[in-house]
Amino acid sequence: GENVEQHPSTLSVQEGDSAVIKCTYSDSASNYFPWYKQELGKRPQLIIDIRSNVGEKKDQRIAVTLNKTAKHFSLHITETQPEDSAVYFCAAISYNTDKLIFGTGTRLQVFP
Amino acid sequence: GAGVSQTPSNKVTEKGKYVELRCDPISGHTALYWYRQSLGQGPEFLIYFQGTGAADDSGLPNDRFFAVRPEGSVSTLKIQRTERGDSAVYLCASSLTGNQPQHFGDGTRLSIL
Repeated sequence: GENVEQHPSTLSVQEGDSAVIKCTYSDSASNYFPWYKQELGKRPQLIIDIRSNVGEKKDQRIAVTLNKTAKHFSLHITETQPEDSAVYFCAAISYNTDKLIFGTGTRLQVFP
Repeated sequence: GAGVSQTPSNKVTEKGKYVELRCDPISGHTALYWYRQSLGQGPEFLIYFQGTGAADDSGLPNDRFFAVRPEGSVSTLKIQRTERGDSAVYLCASSLTGNQPQHFGDGTRLSIL
Protein backbone atom coordinates (compact mmCIF):
# COMPACT_ATOMS: atom_id res chain seq x y z
CA GLY A 1 0.00 0.00 0.00
CA GLU A 2 0.89 3.66 -0.16
CA ASN A 3 3.41 5.03 2.30
CA VAL A 4 4.25 8.71 2.77
CA GLU A 5 7.38 9.85 4.57
CA GLN A 6 7.83 13.43 5.76
CA HIS A 7 10.89 15.37 6.92
CA PRO A 8 11.85 17.12 9.08
CA SER A 9 9.69 16.31 12.09
CA THR A 10 10.41 19.74 13.60
CA LEU A 11 11.57 22.95 11.98
CA SER A 12 12.42 26.24 13.66
CA VAL A 13 12.99 29.40 11.61
CA GLN A 14 13.33 33.09 12.22
CA GLU A 15 10.50 35.32 11.08
CA GLY A 16 11.04 36.32 7.47
CA ASP A 17 13.09 33.25 6.60
CA SER A 18 11.90 30.47 4.29
CA ALA A 19 10.78 27.00 5.38
CA VAL A 20 10.85 23.82 3.31
CA ILE A 21 9.15 20.54 4.17
CA LYS A 22 9.76 17.43 2.08
CA CYS A 23 7.70 14.29 1.48
CA THR A 24 8.23 11.10 -0.47
CA TYR A 25 5.59 8.60 -1.54
CA SER A 26 5.79 4.98 -2.56
CA ASP A 27 2.83 4.38 -4.90
CA SER A 28 3.60 5.48 -8.45
CA ALA A 29 -0.17 5.59 -9.09
CA SER A 30 -0.55 8.53 -6.69
CA ASN A 31 -1.95 11.53 -8.56
CA TYR A 32 -3.07 14.09 -5.97
CA PHE A 33 -0.97 15.67 -3.22
CA PRO A 34 -2.55 18.06 -0.70
CA TRP A 35 -0.91 19.88 2.20
CA TYR A 36 -2.73 20.55 5.46
CA LYS A 37 -1.97 22.97 8.28
CA GLN A 38 -3.16 21.97 11.74
CA GLU A 39 -3.04 24.28 14.73
CA LEU A 40 -3.26 22.80 18.20
CA GLY A 41 -6.71 21.37 18.86
CA LYS A 42 -8.03 22.49 15.48
CA ARG A 43 -9.06 20.78 12.27
CA PRO A 44 -6.56 20.05 9.47
CA GLN A 45 -6.92 22.94 7.03
CA LEU A 46 -6.17 22.48 3.34
CA ILE A 47 -3.63 25.14 2.32
CA ILE A 48 -2.49 24.03 -1.12
CA ASP A 49 -2.60 20.97 -3.36
CA ILE A 50 -1.08 19.73 -6.59
CA ARG A 51 -1.99 17.11 -9.16
CA SER A 52 0.44 14.83 -10.93
CA ASN A 53 0.14 16.63 -14.27
CA VAL A 54 1.65 19.81 -12.77
CA GLY A 55 5.21 20.34 -11.55
CA GLU A 56 4.73 23.42 -9.41
CA LYS A 57 1.94 25.50 -7.94
CA LYS A 58 2.12 28.76 -6.03
CA ASP A 59 -0.33 30.68 -3.87
CA GLN A 60 1.08 33.89 -2.41
CA ARG A 61 3.79 32.88 0.09
CA ILE A 62 3.16 29.15 -0.30
CA ALA A 63 4.36 26.91 -3.14
CA VAL A 64 4.43 23.18 -3.75
CA THR A 65 6.72 21.32 -6.14
CA LEU A 66 6.33 17.76 -7.41
CA ASN A 67 8.95 15.45 -8.88
CA LYS A 68 7.11 12.39 -10.20
CA THR A 69 10.26 10.60 -11.27
CA ALA A 70 11.75 10.77 -7.81
CA LYS A 71 8.32 10.44 -6.15
CA HIS A 72 8.76 13.39 -3.89
CA PHE A 73 7.00 16.69 -3.29
CA SER A 74 7.83 19.70 -1.17
CA LEU A 75 6.13 22.63 0.53
CA HIS A 76 7.87 26.00 0.45
CA ILE A 77 6.83 28.88 2.68
CA THR A 78 8.54 32.21 2.08
CA GLU A 79 8.65 35.26 4.35
CA THR A 80 7.47 33.19 7.31
CA GLN A 81 5.36 34.82 9.99
CA PRO A 82 4.64 33.73 13.59
CA GLU A 83 1.10 32.77 12.56
CA ASP A 84 2.59 30.16 10.21
CA SER A 85 3.54 28.19 13.35
CA ALA A 86 1.59 24.90 13.28
CA VAL A 87 1.92 21.24 12.33
CA TYR A 88 1.98 20.66 8.58
CA PHE A 89 0.95 17.35 7.01
CA CYS A 90 1.56 16.20 3.48
CA ALA A 91 -0.69 13.53 1.98
CA ALA A 92 -1.16 11.52 -1.18
CA ILE A 93 -4.03 9.81 -2.98
CA SER A 94 -3.75 7.13 -5.63
CA TYR A 95 -5.96 7.46 -8.72
CA ASN A 96 -7.62 4.11 -7.94
CA THR A 97 -8.48 4.92 -4.31
CA ASP A 98 -9.80 7.99 -2.60
CA LYS A 99 -8.22 7.70 0.81
CA LEU A 100 -5.65 10.22 1.93
CA ILE A 101 -2.42 8.71 3.21
CA PHE A 102 -0.78 11.25 5.49
CA GLY A 103 2.82 11.89 6.38
CA THR A 104 3.90 12.01 10.01
CA GLY A 105 3.78 15.80 10.24
CA THR A 106 6.25 18.66 10.65
CA ARG A 107 6.01 21.01 13.60
CA LEU A 108 7.01 24.44 12.31
CA GLN A 109 7.92 27.17 14.77
CA VAL A 110 8.48 30.69 13.54
CA PHE A 111 10.24 32.91 16.06
CA PRO A 112 9.69 36.68 15.98
CA GLY B 1 -22.07 27.40 8.69
CA ALA B 2 -20.95 25.88 5.42
CA GLY B 3 -18.26 23.57 6.77
CA VAL B 4 -18.19 19.97 7.92
CA SER B 5 -19.92 19.66 11.28
CA GLN B 6 -19.16 16.94 13.83
CA THR B 7 -20.93 16.14 17.07
CA PRO B 8 -20.24 15.74 19.88
CA SER B 9 -17.00 17.70 20.08
CA ASN B 10 -15.95 15.65 23.10
CA LYS B 11 -17.08 12.27 24.34
CA VAL B 12 -15.93 10.57 27.52
CA THR B 13 -17.18 7.09 28.28
CA GLU B 14 -16.24 3.93 30.10
CA LYS B 15 -14.54 0.94 28.61
CA GLY B 16 -17.06 -1.48 27.14
CA LYS B 17 -19.67 1.14 26.28
CA TYR B 18 -21.15 1.87 22.85
CA VAL B 19 -20.61 5.25 21.18
CA GLU B 20 -21.95 7.02 18.12
CA LEU B 21 -20.18 9.90 16.42
CA ARG B 22 -22.00 12.07 13.90
CA CYS B 23 -20.76 13.89 10.80
CA ASP B 24 -22.71 16.40 8.72
CA PRO B 25 -20.79 17.04 5.47
CA ILE B 26 -20.71 20.15 3.35
CA SER B 27 -23.98 20.43 1.45
CA GLY B 28 -23.77 18.82 -1.97
CA HIS B 29 -20.65 16.78 -1.22
CA THR B 30 -21.18 13.19 -2.30
CA ALA B 31 -17.97 11.80 -0.82
CA LEU B 32 -17.52 11.43 2.94
CA TYR B 33 -14.51 10.11 4.84
CA TRP B 34 -13.72 9.11 8.40
CA TYR B 35 -10.20 9.32 9.79
CA ARG B 36 -8.71 8.76 13.23
CA GLN B 37 -5.89 10.87 14.64
CA SER B 38 -3.85 9.88 17.66
CA LEU B 39 -1.74 12.41 19.54
CA GLY B 40 1.31 13.49 17.56
CA GLN B 41 0.38 11.54 14.45
CA GLY B 42 -1.24 12.18 11.12
CA PRO B 43 -4.84 11.19 10.46
CA GLU B 44 -5.36 7.54 9.52
CA PHE B 45 -8.04 6.50 7.06
CA LEU B 46 -10.99 4.48 8.36
CA ILE B 47 -13.77 4.43 5.76
CA TYR B 48 -14.97 6.24 2.64
CA PHE B 49 -18.55 6.69 1.42
CA GLN B 50 -19.59 7.63 -2.08
CA GLY B 51 -23.26 8.46 -1.72
CA THR B 52 -24.91 5.93 0.57
CA GLY B 53 -22.49 3.09 0.01
CA ALA B 54 -19.18 2.38 1.69
CA ALA B 55 -16.76 2.41 -1.23
CA ASP B 56 -13.75 1.52 0.91
CA ASP B 57 -13.83 0.31 4.53
CA SER B 58 -10.31 -1.11 4.54
CA GLY B 59 -9.19 1.19 7.35
CA LEU B 60 -11.68 0.01 9.98
CA PRO B 61 -9.49 -1.66 12.63
CA ASN B 62 -11.91 -4.49 13.53
CA ASP B 63 -15.57 -5.47 13.55
CA ARG B 64 -16.32 -3.28 16.58
CA PHE B 65 -16.28 -0.33 14.20
CA PHE B 66 -19.12 0.34 11.80
CA ALA B 67 -20.34 3.37 9.86
CA VAL B 68 -23.48 4.24 7.97
CA ARG B 69 -24.69 6.99 5.68
CA PRO B 70 -28.30 5.97 4.96
CA GLU B 71 -29.43 9.01 2.96
CA GLY B 72 -26.15 10.01 1.40
CA SER B 73 -25.63 13.01 3.66
CA VAL B 74 -25.14 12.63 7.43
CA SER B 75 -22.92 9.76 8.54
CA THR B 76 -22.62 8.01 11.88
CA LEU B 77 -19.53 6.15 13.06
CA LYS B 78 -20.44 3.49 15.62
CA ILE B 79 -18.02 1.82 18.00
CA GLN B 80 -19.10 -1.18 20.08
CA ARG B 81 -17.46 -2.49 23.27
CA THR B 82 -15.07 0.45 23.38
CA GLU B 83 -11.48 -0.10 24.51
CA ARG B 84 -8.94 2.36 25.92
CA GLY B 85 -6.98 2.09 22.69
CA ASP B 86 -9.93 3.60 20.81
CA SER B 87 -9.19 6.96 22.46
CA ALA B 88 -8.33 9.45 19.70
CA VAL B 89 -9.74 12.34 17.70
CA TYR B 90 -12.15 11.07 15.07
CA LEU B 91 -12.16 13.34 12.04
CA CYS B 92 -14.70 13.51 9.26
CA ALA B 93 -14.02 15.02 5.85
CA SER B 94 -16.10 15.56 2.73
CA SER B 95 -15.39 16.34 -0.90
CA LEU B 96 -17.51 17.20 -3.91
CA THR B 97 -16.80 13.80 -5.44
CA GLY B 98 -14.00 11.28 -5.11
CA ASN B 99 -10.41 12.37 -5.77
CA GLN B 100 -11.25 15.99 -4.99
CA PRO B 101 -10.01 18.26 -2.16
CA GLN B 102 -11.15 16.95 1.21
CA HIS B 103 -12.33 19.41 3.86
CA PHE B 104 -12.25 18.37 7.49
CA GLY B 105 -14.50 18.97 10.45
CA ASP B 106 -13.25 19.87 13.93
CA GLY B 107 -13.38 16.24 15.04
CA THR B 108 -14.74 14.39 18.03
CA ARG B 109 -12.27 13.83 20.84
CA LEU B 110 -13.11 10.38 22.22
CA SER B 111 -11.75 9.37 25.60
CA ILE B 112 -12.29 5.85 26.91
CA LEU B 113 -11.70 5.56 30.65
